[in-house]
Parts: sequence; C-alpha cells; structure tokens
Amino acid sequence: DAGVIQSPRHEVTEMGQEVTLRCKPISGHNSLFWYRQTMMRGLELLIYFNNNVPIDDSGMPEDRFSAKMPNASFSTLKIQPSEPRDSAVYFCASRPVGQGVAPAFFGQGTRLTVV
Amino acid sequence: AQSVTQPDIHITVSEGASLELRCNYSYGATPYLFWYVQSPGQGLQLLLKYFSGDTLVQGIKGFEAEFKRSQSSFNLRKPSVHWSDAAEYFCAVGGDDYKLSFGAGTTVTVRA
Repeated sequence: DAGVIQSPRHEVTEMGQEVTLRCKPISGHNSLFWYRQTMMRGLELLIYFNNNVPIDDSGMPEDRFSAKMPNASFSTLKIQPSEPRDSAVYFCASRPVGQGVAPAFFGQGTRLTVV
Repeated sequence: AQSVTQPDIHITVSEGASLELRCNYSYGATPYLFWYVQSPGQGLQLLLKYFSGDTLVQGIKGFEAEFKRSQSSFNLRKPSVHWSDAAEYFCAVGGDDYKLSFGAGTTVTVRA
C-alpha cells in the first residue's frame, strides 16, 4: 500500500488567496484526520471524519477553514482566505475503525507558507 | 480529559549510547499508547503501540517501551542509538474513541 498520500508537499501562497490541501487515505481505512503542526502549538487535531461524515470539527480554528470528504478515498482541507498565521505543516492521517484501537497512519504533510 | 507530557524537549546522546525518552499520560480509563517518530520534513511514523498484555512492547528500529500503570508512564528506550535515530519523537494516548492526544515531542540529537 502506498500509505496516506497528501498533495501538494509544499504550498506558498499570498495572503487572501484560497488554499486547498488534498489527502488520499489508505484503502480500507474508514477514519480520516486532519492535523496542524506548528512550533508554538505542536500537533493539533482539526477535524475527524468517520465513514466520510465529519464527526468532530471542534479543532477547526475559524470559519475560514473547511474540510470535505466526498468519498472514502479523498478529502480536502480548504482555507479561504488564507492568512500568514495559517503557515504550518498540515497532516492527514487515517486508521481503520472497528478493528480495536488501531494506530493512525500519517501522510508526509503539506508545508503551507502564507506570505 | 486525556493528555500527554513529554518532560524533555531536547536530548543529546552519543552514538552507541542508550536512550530513554519519558512519557507521562493522563487518561480516565485503560489507555492505548503509541510512540511515533518524525524525521525532518517527513510525517509521523509509528514505532510501537500498547493496548494490553505484556507491559514491555517491542517496536521497529530496535525500540521498546514499557507501560507502568502505577506511574502513568510509557517510556521509550533503545539500548544503542544510531546516527539515523536523530529525529523528533512523539508519545500519544487514546482510548476507545477516535481521539489521539499527542505530547509536545522530544527532539533527539545524536553526536558522533
């Protein structure tokens, strides 16, 4: 299996622009997570999907952030409009729920820089 | 509420020396515990996990961790570090729900 695939790996954008981050989870994994990693705040859970349905989005910082999972093999995280303080590494992770407590498997992340 | 504390922000060890990374957790029920490693520019890779049973668990890359319920700890160890072990290490705790809580991480530097 190719693992969790994220694109792009790096994104540089200007303040005010829309940014879309993409994630393909591991086939068969029915739970998907979006995390944000910064030096100041460490790893923060933004949103969690189970069977394509958002279960907990309490970590989404504000309305500028939105996430979708139209099918089991694809998810997006969108920031509109982007701000410099959104600069961070964004990770997508997936895990198979229903097989006990399985660990989450992470993608390589998208490093976002907003200038 | 669940939480993880990694008391050491940065550890420097000599190549060939032993390594121990500390992790203390807070969880209201039986915890599920994980150690992940993150190399620069990479995602988090699972090193090992503890769900139940033997409190000493073996992982990849020669790492092991010991669960001590009385101390709420899950420390990671390696008998002899290699230069390639230089990375950031994260301890995480979860339960029967979906949420994983991560510690702030410990950065390991290996000197020749």
